[in-house]
Parts: sequence; C-alpha cells; structure tokens
Amino acid sequence: QVQLQESGPGLVKPSQTLSLTCTVSGDSIKSGTYYWSWIRQHPGKGLEWIGYIYYSGNTYYNPSLKSRLTISIDTSKNQFSLSLSSVTAADTAVYYCARLYYGPNKNFDYWGQGTLVTVSS
Amino acid sequence: EVVLTQSPDFQSVTPGEKVTITCRASQNIGTSLHWYQQKPDQSPKLLIKYVSQSFSEVPPRFSGSGSGTDFTLTINSLEAEDAATYYCHQSSSLPFTFGPGTKVDIK
Repeated sequence: QVQLQESGPGLVKPSQTLSLTCTVSGDSIKSGTYYWSWIRQHPGKGLEWIGYIYYSGNTYYNPSLKSRLTISIDTSKNQFSLSLSSVTAADTAVYYCARLYYGPNKNFDYWGQGTLVTVSS
Repeated sequence: EVVLTQSPDFQSVTPGEKVTITCRASQNIGTSLHWYQQKPDQSPKLLIKYVSQSFSEVPPRFSGSGSGTDFTLTINSLEAEDAATYYCHQSSSLPFTFGPGTKVDIK
C-alpha cells in the first residue's frame, strides 16, 4: 500500500522560505495515473489545496499562493518537495502531501500524516 | 473558483442514529465530488469518490448521492468510531476546493 511521509523544519522565521519534502513508498512516483500534491490545514480550520506536480515536472499551483510557491520532484529518490517563500504567520499550518488520482474524477486517495510548520521569530 | 458549502457545521448524534451531511457547490460540478473523513489528530482519509463510490475498506454504512450542485453523505447507524470531521471536495475545476467541514460528535 502506498505511504507518504512529510519531512522538514517545524519552525520557520517570518520572511524566510518554508521547505518540505514528501517521500513516497509502496508506489513509483512515475506512475502515470497519479499526480502528487500538497494540501495544508490552518490550525482548527479546513483544508486548502496548494498545488500538484506530475513526474514529468508539469505543475499547477493554487493562484492564491502561486507567486511564492515552487513544487519540484526527484524521481530518483521517489520524492517531491514544496518551497514557499516569504512566509508569514498566516502560513502556519499542518502541511500534508497526498497522491492525486488523475482520472476523469480526480481525488486524493492517499495522504501523509502531516507535519506542523509554525512561522514565528 | 468553485465554492463548496456544507451543512450542518456540527452535529451531535447518538450511536445507531442516521447522519445526513449536505454539500452544495456554487456551480455545476457534475459527479466530481468526493468525501473525506478526518478523525482528531489524524490526516484526512478518502471515504467516498465520484459522489457515491466507496473507497477501499470503507464500511457500507457510509453512502453518497447527488449530482450537479447538491450532494449528500449519509452515515446509516452511526458508530462511536465515526466521530470525525467530514469534508467534501470538488475536482471539476482548478483550483481544487474543499468544503468547510462538518464535525460529527457522539452523544
């Protein structure tokens, strides 16, 4: 069964760059039917989709974050990564990576456990 | 952007009762509607995909229906382990969006 695991710093200073990596096991990140996605959840709030990447490097970003966001992929390590620049306290959230089934009706079928990132000086 | 609204925001239910959660889309999304269950301190898990198809190992007491703009998640005969927040999600158009969630509490 596919498993995803987020990793990265739990504390980031304001104006710096938040960087997280998702390691995928139990499936190849080069599976043609799947894209790889980031989703975040502000404390006590709902879910916000951040963006996705395909193994070819094709990406789509949520317009609300696009100017600060980069998602990249390393197929040799079966990993994909998130980089969010110029962070503020509003970026404090639990960040999840998830596998996105990219069939006719796309859905997030497997999620990582999530990692809390706090933006604070 | 497709906006999803859910009702109710919160529901306290006795075990064995039926739970109905609705999700309304701001525009026609066909059948591109999915439901997720998030238990406290856990990540969301896919429950129902394409409106009504149960994901693997989801108990049959969970079912979904609807099309277009109005959708329903039903939990027949609620069990204590179903205490969670339930989110709908649309994948009809980008950016993907989620509903605000419905918290189901056990009386």
